[in-house]
Amino acid sequence: DAGVIQSPRHEVTEMGQEVTLRCKPISGHNSLFWYRQTMMRGLELLIYFNNNVPIDDSGMPEDRFSAKMPNASFSTLKIQPSEPRDSAVYFCASSPGTGAYEAFFGQGTRLTVV
Amino acid sequence: GENVEQHPSTLSVQEGDSAVIKCTYSDSASNYFPWYKQELGKRPQLIIDIRSNVGEKKDQRIAVTLNKTAKHFSLHITETQPEDSAVYFCAAIKAAGNKLTFGGGTRVLVKP
Repeated sequence: DAGVIQSPRHEVTEMGQEVTLRCKPISGHNSLFWYRQTMMRGLELLIYFNNNVPIDDSGMPEDRFSAKMPNASFSTLKIQPSEPRDSAVYFCASSPGTGAYEAFFGQGTRLTVV
Repeated sequence: GENVEQHPSTLSVQEGDSAVIKCTYSDSASNYFPWYKQELGKRPQLIIDIRSNVGEKKDQRIAVTLNKTAKHFSLHITETQPEDSAVYFCAAIKAAGNKLTFGGGTRVLVKP
């Protein structure tokens, strides 16, 4: 398996634009997590899904952020409209979910909003 | 919800010395405690983990201890090498399929 795959690896966008980050979890994994990493806040959990269903989105900072998981092999995190303070590295991680706890991270998307 | 605190935030050690990072958690129902290493510009990667039914686990130069009564766990790196320089994160989770809560991270610098 190629591991968790995220795209794009880097994104530079102008303030006010819509940004969509994509994630393909490891095949067979039932849990998917979106994290945001900044120097100030460390690794923050934004939202996580079990079996494609959002379980906890309490970490989503504002209504500008939304996440979907239409099927077991794909998830998106959308920011609309984007702001400079959204600049961060966004990681997607997946976990087997049932009986196993280990979470595996994608390579991340470095987002810069200018 | 779960709250994980990690100390110290930075740690500088001489090559060959030991490094210890400590974490505390708030939810007594948490029962799985992984440690991740993140090198500069890379993703966090699992290096060792421990479950609540075990007090200590060792893998070569790294070991983790867990004190469930006190709700704290620690990472020990012996004979540190320059390649151990990275940011280390502890985390806690109650059950598979629950959210993984991370500590704030410890930046470890091993000086040659």
